[in-house]
Amino acid sequence: DQQVKQNSPSLSVQEGRISILNCDYTNSMFDYFLWYKKYPAEGPTFLISISSIKDKNEDGRFTVFLNKSAKHLSLHIVPSQPGDSAVYFCAPHNTDKLIFGTGTRLQVFP
Amino acid sequence: KAGVTQTPRYLIKTRGQQVTLSCSPISGHRSVSWYQQTPGQGLQFLFEYFSETQRNKGNFPGRFSGRQFSNSRSEMNVSTLELGDSALYLCASSSGTIGTGELFFGEGSRLTVL
Repeated sequence: DQQVKQNSPSLSVQEGRISILNCDYTNSMFDYFLWYKKYPAEGPTFLISISSIKDKNEDGRFTVFLNKSAKHLSLHIVPSQPGDSAVYFCAPHNTDKLIFGTGTRLQVFP
Repeated sequence: KAGVTQTPRYLIKTRGQQVTLSCSPISGHRSVSWYQQTPGQGLQFLFEYFSETQRNKGNFPGRFSGRQFSNSRSEMNVSTLELGDSALYLCASSSGTIGTGELFFGEGSRLTVL
């Protein structure tokens, strides 16, 4: 039962351009959505979140958009930097647990 | 402030054996969650403990179990290991309710089952 899907396993973007990572979900009861970033050999780290009552949240170069009617959220990184190369997980919240997507591997090249 | 500590970092077991993994949360955090990461499956939720009580459980067989001690340290155990149990096991701590705040993850314990 895949409640959270990140359909793009990988994404390659040139430095300075925009990176857009997508996430689709099926459960309309999710009330909070988080994004995590994971480097190899490290645990995931929290990046940005958005409440279900909002449709946009911005933090520096990172912006998350939420479209509740489409059950879709996206993470925009502008401008992309080589240090952003990592695996990104979306993680909606439901009844005191986070449900992680399968992740998207972002590679930012010079 | 020390982060989440997981031990051991790497281990190799054979089918049928059992394994115990340990997690020390950030000081003051009372919630500990466990996740399994495998290629193509993302992070799958195993269970969460809060104040020594299992508060949430994922869809894993009974071979996977855990506990939390009074100092909030947690252990997870996998019995009768199968090849498919090979994965990175991640522990995460938080102060309380997961959804309103982020989880702080350890570096994980990489289990290989031969």
